[in-house]
Amino acid sequence: DTGVSQNPRHKITKRGQNVTFRCDPISEHNRLYWYRQTLGQGPEFLTYFQNEAQLEKSRLLSDRFSAERPKGSFSTLEIQRTEQGDSAMYLCASSSPSRGLETQYFGPGTRLLVL
Amino acid sequence: SQQGEEDPQALSIQEGENATMNCSYKTSINNLQWYRQNSGRGLVHLILIRSNEREKHSGRLRVTLDTSKKSSSLLITASRAADTASYFCATDRGSTLGRLYFGRGTQLTVWP
Repeated sequence: DTGVSQNPRHKITKRGQNVTFRCDPISEHNRLYWYRQTLGQGPEFLTYFQNEAQLEKSRLLSDRFSAERPKGSFSTLEIQRTEQGDSAMYLCASSSPSRGLETQYFGPGTRLLVL
Repeated sequence: SQQGEEDPQALSIQEGENATMNCSYKTSINNLQWYRQNSGRGLVHLILIRSNEREKHSGRLRVTLDTSKKSSSLLITASRAADTASYFCATDRGSTLGRLYFGRGTQLTVWP
């Protein structure tokens, strides 16, 4: 396993700009999750994919957020017209039936700061 | 919305002491997991305990689960300075879809 990777690790942007984050899961994992974590809180679920299908979206995922996993491998999370309240750590995780669906392996996260 | 509540919110101990963190939750579960997060980093999976299990061990970690009280505890024995981190419990709320619900975490500081 090379682990889950996320890019960029840090992003500073101005309010109103669009940002896109990328997640590369562990290669044989078919499930991919996005979470958001603000300071002093635990991660909160945003959305998840099984292969290329987006199966669930949280109410936290407003219309400004969109996630894709076009070939069932890497995923992107885009935030349009960023707001200061979007500042958070965005975490990606993946899981695999061969290791038990329940255990999710997390990447290092992308820390977003919206000025 | 958050699912679990970890207790205490912060814990400060000396190296060599044991650290106990508790987690309470509100719904039925299939399993409960504990994760660790070093400052500014991603989460590392520590241990998973299924709803039909009462206790599980992994190295210096011991996890208990009481489904009648909807609570779990994580014990770290013989703590080290490297154990300093935030510890989160997470549950599935009885769903098999994979989504996890995390608590706010316990910040553990181990002084050398």
